[in-house]
Amino acid sequence: DGGITQSPKYLFRKEGQNVTLSCEQNLNHDAMYWYRQDPGQGLRLIYYSQIVNDFQKGDIAEGYSVSREKKESFPLTVTSAQKNPTAFYLCASSYIGLAEDSSYNEQFFGPGTRLTVL
Amino acid sequence: DQQVKQNSPSLSVQEGRISILNCDYTNSMFDYFLWYKKYPAEGPTFLISISSIKDKNEDGRFTVFLNKSAKHLSLHIVPSQPGDSAVYFCAARAGNNRKLIWGLGTSLAVNP
Repeated sequence: DGGITQSPKYLFRKEGQNVTLSCEQNLNHDAMYWYRQDPGQGLRLIYYSQIVNDFQKGDIAEGYSVSREKKESFPLTVTSAQKNPTAFYLCASSYIGLAEDSSYNEQFFGPGTRLTVL
Repeated sequence: DQQVKQNSPSLSVQEGRISILNCDYTNSMFDYFLWYKKYPAEGPTFLISISSIKDKNEDGRFTVFLNKSAKHLSLHIVPSQPGDSAVYFCAARAGNNRKLIWGLGTSLAVNP
């Protein structure tokens, strides 16, 4: 069964600690993305990667870091520099082909991780 | 500056009736549009998409209409079912850029 997994579902951390959120996909997708969702808000892009060992900042990258050492994995570290880290974090992946077919364009999402910083 | 706008934060319809969710965009470079559905505490799931070369795409109960001149698209759900109750996000992208630009979502409630 192909899909995207995020773990854990719920995560609690003390203020000032770094925390790493896991994202793994076995869809053979080239691109992977990290989003953050806050109550009443849409999805805001944190980082994305289109190829191994390369990634780009999204709209709200400050206080976050990522790595892409393997095609299947794109972990996100929420550092102590992130001022409001409590949020719902979503990982997604997609192909980067240019075909008109919708399956090449859609991003598939994981189930999300709810991070609460106490 | 919101390039993709969903001006109705919420919508309530009766079961069996039509649900119409609207989305406006400002960037004329957008050439591909997607609708996602999201339940609380879950990731969004892809619903339907449309390329700018088309003005309509249909998939079962879901139809998306695109009016390029008005920079407006809409998602029609007919007939609406209680299981359709969710937040619906409109998203757009331009050319080869893989980055999606998202609206803030519309919460749909379908009442039995």
